[in-house]
Amino acid sequence: DAGVIQSPRHEVTEMGQEVTLRCKPISGHNSLFWYRQTMMRGLELLIYFNNNVPIDDSGMPEDRFSAKMPNASFSTLKIQPSEPRDSAVYFCASSPTGNIQYFGAGTRLSVL
Amino acid sequence: KQEVTQIPAALSVPEGENLVLNCSFTDSAIYNLQWFRQDPGKGLTSLLLIQSSQREQTSGRLNASLDKSSGRSTLYIAASQPGDSATYLCACLRVTGGFKTIFGAGTRLFVKA
Repeated sequence: DAGVIQSPRHEVTEMGQEVTLRCKPISGHNSLFWYRQTMMRGLELLIYFNNNVPIDDSGMPEDRFSAKMPNASFSTLKIQPSEPRDSAVYFCASSPTGNIQYFGAGTRLSVL
Repeated sequence: KQEVTQIPAALSVPEGENLVLNCSFTDSAIYNLQWFRQDPGKGLTSLLLIQSSQREQTSGRLNASLDKSSGRSTLYIAASQPGDSATYLCACLRVTGGFKTIFGAGTRLFVKA
C-alpha cells in the first residue's frame, strides 16, 4: 500500500480564501484522524472519524473549519474563510483498529 | 484533562551512546501509549505502541516502557547512530468519550558522528 496520501503537499493562499485539504487513508483502515501541528501548540487532534462517521470533533477550532468523509477512501478538511493564524502543517492519519496510527506526509498551509 | 510532557526538550549525544527519553502523563486512564519519530518536514512514523496492560515493547535498538501508576513512559535507544537524529514524540490514547490522542511536545535528538 502507498500509505496515507495527502494533497496538496504545500498550499499558499490569501486570507479569506477557501482552502480544501485532501486525504486518502490506507485501504482497509476504518479510523481517520486530522491533526494540526504548529510550533506554538505542537500536534493537536482536530477531528476523528470511525467508519466514515465523525466521532469527536471537539478539537475543531472554529466554525470556519469543517471535515467530511463521504466514503472509506477519502476525506477533506475545509477552512472557509482562511486566516493567517490557520498557517500550520495539517496531518491526516489512519488506523485499522484505533490503535497504531499511520500518518501522511502532511500539507503545509500558509495563509498570507 | 490529559497533559503529556516530554523531557528533555532537546538532547545532543555522541554516536554510540545509550540514551533515555522521558514522557509523563497526568491521567493514567489511557488505552495505550505510542512513540513516534518525526524527521524535519516529514510526517510521523510509529516506532512502538504499548497497550495499557503491557509494561514494555522492544523493536531492534529501541525499548519503550510504561508505568501507568506513576504516569511515565521511557524510550530507550541503544548504541545511538547519526540516523537516529529526529524529533521523538509520545502520544497517549484514551477511549472514554471517544478516541482522543494527546501528544507531547517532543524531544529533539541530535546524534553527533
